[in-house]
Amino acid sequence: ILNVEQSPQSLHVQEGDSTNFTCSFPSSNFYALHWYRWETAKSPEALFVMTLNGDEKKKGRISATLNTKEGYSYLYIKGSQPEDSATYLCAYGSSNTGKLIFGQGTTLQVKP
Amino acid sequence: DTEVTQTPKHLVMGMTNKKSLKCEQHMGHRAMYWYKQKAKKPPELMFVYSYEKLSINESVPSRFSPECPNSSLLNLHLHALQPEDSALYLCASSQDLGGFDQPQHFGDGTRLSIL
Repeated sequence: ILNVEQSPQSLHVQEGDSTNFTCSFPSSNFYALHWYRWETAKSPEALFVMTLNGDEKKKGRISATLNTKEGYSYLYIKGSQPEDSATYLCAYGSSNTGKLIFGQGTTLQVKP
Repeated sequence: DTEVTQTPKHLVMGMTNKKSLKCEQHMGHRAMYWYKQKAKKPPELMFVYSYEKLSINESVPSRFSPECPNSSLLNLHLHALQPEDSALYLCASSQDLGGFDQPQHFGDGTRLSIL
């Protein structure tokens, strides 16, 4: 059974705080790691797709890193804003299953 | 605005009803997906279509029947569902099924309740 674990499950921060979450995945047969942001009553939105060990991607105040050898990815949000409040999902693609396996997500609440 | 459109947004049906969920995309994507998501759980893959052919069926019960009439449309036909099938059903598409180096584009989902 392939397991994708995200931590923490939920996070409450104040506006302006920087925060980070973790996605752990199997290090074998790695193909790609996806991050999605899912706001309430909206559709999941792709943030990053990473395929190479050591990859770092950035989109505005959000960035992500990837370590495929040890099987983890970090998502960082600098200077959180209330509009960053959402559930952040990671998904692991392996070369031998043909599908993405999603983690349970980290729900972020940013208080003004 | 989402580029993947799902209808209806909400559906309540009895266990003996037959209904269909619809999904449409006009991005020229050749891979389309159905996911099921229960509360507090991750989305779980149900079916994948690649170039209008079913390529993955994750051992989904036959009361769920997918159909891909053309490259832009994906349907999920429902018949004799059980209360435990109540969930959010998400449709997604990607450029093709060749790899996972492309993001998936999701619809808003259909919230399904079985009475």
